[in-house]
Amino acid sequence: NAGVTQTPKFRVLKTGQSMTLLCAQDMNHEYMYWYRQDPGMGLRLIHYSVGEGTTAKGEVPDGYNVSRLKKQNFLLGLESAAPSQTSVYFCASIQGGVETQYFGPGTRLLVL
Amino acid sequence: RKEVEQDPGPFNVPEGATVAFNCTYSNSASQSFFWYRQDCRKEPKLLMSVYSSGNEDGRFTAQLNRASQYISLLIRDSKLSDSATYLCVVRGNTGFQKLVFGTGTRLLVSP
Repeated sequence: NAGVTQTPKFRVLKTGQSMTLLCAQDMNHEYMYWYRQDPGMGLRLIHYSVGEGTTAKGEVPDGYNVSRLKKQNFLLGLESAAPSQTSVYFCASIQGGVETQYFGPGTRLLVL
Repeated sequence: RKEVEQDPGPFNVPEGATVAFNCTYSNSASQSFFWYRQDCRKEPKLLMSVYSSGNEDGRFTAQLNRASQYISLLIRDSKLSDSATYLCVVRGNTGFQKLVFGTGTRLLVSP
């Protein structure tokens, strides 16, 4: 089992460029989440999904879109990157009724 | 006010010391409580769940006081490898298992 994987690990974007972050899990988990982590802010929930084909907004959804076409994949898109989106992005997944959230290794994004 | 508040530290302790971290949460409807550990530039990993009766896992003891909305983590006989950031995490009563994270307390254990 690879657990939760994220691609890419690191990316530099220019303001206005777009990109997609991929999260994949091989544990057949129903719930998947995208967080961002900034200094002094803790992890904040961007979007989440409670199952294939469903997505919902978290605390800080503006500037991001998501899709969950397959149960094992959760994509996070930035349509027009801004410097404020410079952050570390973590994906996580959990099986319903179980307490432990499993995190991916993170994607470091720098927007210039 | 933040939903989950922690002292950011850092806590600098020598090997073998006992150290305690505290955390408060604001949502009285919170249902589950956890401590996560995060190493530098790595993802958070579950350290232990926290129960009202208190629970222990080796050198680690966690306590929950629902009346005061207060969570604690005690580490005994600190090791160099305990150096990390410890995140206090709370799950509310929503249907999608939302976790709310504190900003973390940094621990540095020195020889």
